[in-house]
Amino acid sequence: AQTVTQSQPEMSVQEAETVTLSCTYDTSESNYYLFWYKQPPSRQMILVIRQEAYKQQNATENRFSVNFQKAAKSFSLKISDSQLGDTAMYFCAFDPLSGSRLTFGEGTQLTVNP
Amino acid sequence: EPEVTQTPSHQVTQMGQEVILRCVPISNHLYFYWYRQILGQKVEFLVSFYNNEISEKSEIFDDQFSVERPDGSNFTLKIRSTKLEDSAMYFCASRGGPSTDTQYFGPGTRLTVL
Repeated sequence: AQTVTQSQPEMSVQEAETVTLSCTYDTSESNYYLFWYKQPPSRQMILVIRQEAYKQQNATENRFSVNFQKAAKSFSLKISDSQLGDTAMYFCAFDPLSGSRLTFGEGTQLTVNP
Repeated sequence: EPEVTQTPSHQVTQMGQEVILRCVPISNHLYFYWYRQILGQKVEFLVSFYNNEISEKSEIFDDQFSVERPDGSNFTLKIRSTKLEDSAMYFCASRGGPSTDTQYFGPGTRLTVL
């Protein structure tokens, strides 16, 4: 079974600064996906970014990028030029593919301060 | 852009009552999922559904729960006799294929059991 760990329950950052959220996971699979989801107060799950494990290049989506270290089983999310609208709970998730379930971490509550 | 929809957005029920949560997955998707999130906790997998049958279920998904795809578009989660601890946000998700797509989440149904 896979496990996902987010060791930072809460983080805060000043507007326009950069913040990094940490995620580690454990698996015996060689191919899988990793995701970061954003959950604002509305509680909707919004996909932020996806990383395929077979790709060495780190995924980027505008101000969001990841640092994927497959050997270390680490998958951190970097948010550049933080905006007030980035305030949300962020969940890291593991997808073993084959149509199976996602396994989520405990979440990190990010607050962007003006 | 296609999206997963869920109804109702909020359901209030009395303990012991039956509830049905409804989801309309993205039209050409083949894999369907239900997840649950108790307030302040992480997202937990309940069940996955493929080819008109359950493909995987968690320990949470006991005999009180059932899923159905009654027609070509809807995917439902039924809780036969609700308990106070069933109060949570319930998310439906769908994906097109087992290994080539992302799970797309609906906006969720907030279930409150009194």
